[in-house]
Amino acid sequence: DAGVIQSPRHEVTEMGQEVTLRCKPISGHNSLFWYRQTMMRGLELLIYFNNNVPIDDSGMPEDRFSAKMPNASFSTLKIQPSEPRDSAVYFCASRPVRRGLPLRISGANVLTFGAGSRLTVL
Amino acid sequence: AQSVTQPDIHITVSEGASLELRCNYSYGATPYLFWYVQSPGQGLQLLLKYFSGDTLVQGIKGFEAEFKRSQSSFNLRKPSVHWSDAAEYFCAVGRFQGAQKLVFGQGTRLTINP
Repeated sequence: DAGVIQSPRHEVTEMGQEVTLRCKPISGHNSLFWYRQTMMRGLELLIYFNNNVPIDDSGMPEDRFSAKMPNASFSTLKIQPSEPRDSAVYFCASRPVRRGLPLRISGANVLTFGAGSRLTVL
Repeated sequence: AQSVTQPDIHITVSEGASLELRCNYSYGATPYLFWYVQSPGQGLQLLLKYFSGDTLVQGIKGFEAEFKRSQSSFNLRKPSVHWSDAAEYFCAVGRFQGAQKLVFGQGTRLTINP
C-alpha cells in the first residue's frame, strides 16, 4: 500500500494565484480529512468527507478555500485567490469507516496521514 | 468541546535517558486518545492509541502511554530514547461515539543530545 499520496510536496506561488492541492487516499478508506499546520495555530481540521460527501467544513477559513471529492480515490483543496497568510503545510489523511462495528473494535478512528504539501505564498 | 494541552513546547533529553511527554485533555465523556509522531518534512505517524480497557497501552518504537482518567492525562513514555526519536510529538483526542474529528495538541518538539 502506497499510503496517502499528496501532491505537490512543495509549492511556491504569488499572492492572488490559484492553488490546487491534491490527495489520493488509501484504497478502501472512505473517510478523508484535510488539515492545515502552522506554527501559530498547530494542526487545524479544515474539512472532512465520508463516502465522498463533505460532512463538516466548519474549519475552512474563508470562502477562498474549497474542497471537493469527486470520487473515492481523489480529493482537491483549492485556494483562490491565495494570500501570504495561507502559507502552511496542508495534510490529507484518510481512514476506513466500517459500518456496524463499534469504533473501539474496528479501530476506524485511526487516521493515516500523507506527507503533506508545503505551500508558500509570496 | 474537546481540547488537548501539551504543556511542553520543547524538551531536550540525552540519548539513553528516559522520556515522558505530557498530555492533558478536556472532554466530557470517554475519549479516544492518540499519540502521533512527525519527523521533519514528513506526515504524522501513529505511535499508539487508547480506546478502552487496559490503561497502559504499548505502541511502536518502544513507546507506551498511560491513560489516567482522574488526571485527564495521557502521557507518553519511553524508558531509553534513541537519537532517531528526535521529532515532534502530537497528542490527540477524539469522541468515543460517532467519533469523526480529532483535536490535536500543539505538539512537543523532542531534541536528543548525543
